[in-house]
Amino acid sequence: AQKVTQAQTEISVVEKEDVTLDCVYETRDTTYYLFWYKQPPSGELVFLIRRNSFDEQNEISGRYSWNFQKSTSSFNFTITASQVVDSAVYFCALSDLRMIKAAGNKLTFGGGTRVLVKP
Amino acid sequence: AAGVIQSPRHLIKEKRETATLKCYPIPRHDTVYWYQQGPGQDPQFLISFYEKMQSDKGSIPDRFSAQQFSDYHSELNMSSLELGDSALYFCASSPQREDTEAFFGQGTRLTVV
Repeated sequence: AQKVTQAQTEISVVEKEDVTLDCVYETRDTTYYLFWYKQPPSGELVFLIRRNSFDEQNEISGRYSWNFQKSTSSFNFTITASQVVDSAVYFCALSDLRMIKAAGNKLTFGGGTRVLVKP
Repeated sequence: AAGVIQSPRHLIKEKRETATLKCYPIPRHDTVYWYQQGPGQDPQFLISFYEKMQSDKGSIPDRFSAQQFSDYHSELNMSSLELGDSALYFCASSPQREDTEAFFGQGTRLTVV
């Protein structure tokens, strides 16, 4: 069975501070995708990033960056120079690549981390 | 760009009533997923369809049923509603490929009173 754990339930920062969100996952599969989604107060789920299990290269996209370490089953996400508009709940999610061809991108979500950015 | 459309956006029902939620996927997306997100919870997978056939099933109550139609839109039917069914219901769609993410609709907020 797959499991995603986000140990931080809430993080509060002041604008322009960096925020790092932790994500640890469990899967018996050797191939999988990892995602980060953002859920602002309006409720929609906004896709942020995707990484497959073959690619441990860490990247930066604008103010977002991520650190994927397969050896520790972690997929951490950082927002640099946070802004008030970054205030939201952030979900880490996992999908089984093996299953994708049969059943699509069924996602297992972590419990979410609420980020509050104060002006 | 076209997104996943869900209707209605908000729905209030009484206990034991029936509700039908609709989802219109992004054009050329052949896979639809339904998720339920209770208050303060993470989204939980309910069911998915590929090419109008059920492709996977999660923790969906027997009181719920769903289908995907020939135009690829999907409907989630919920009967004998309970207070605990109050939640945000998301539909997502994706093409049947490995290298893509699922795109979520804005959700339907169901309140059972």
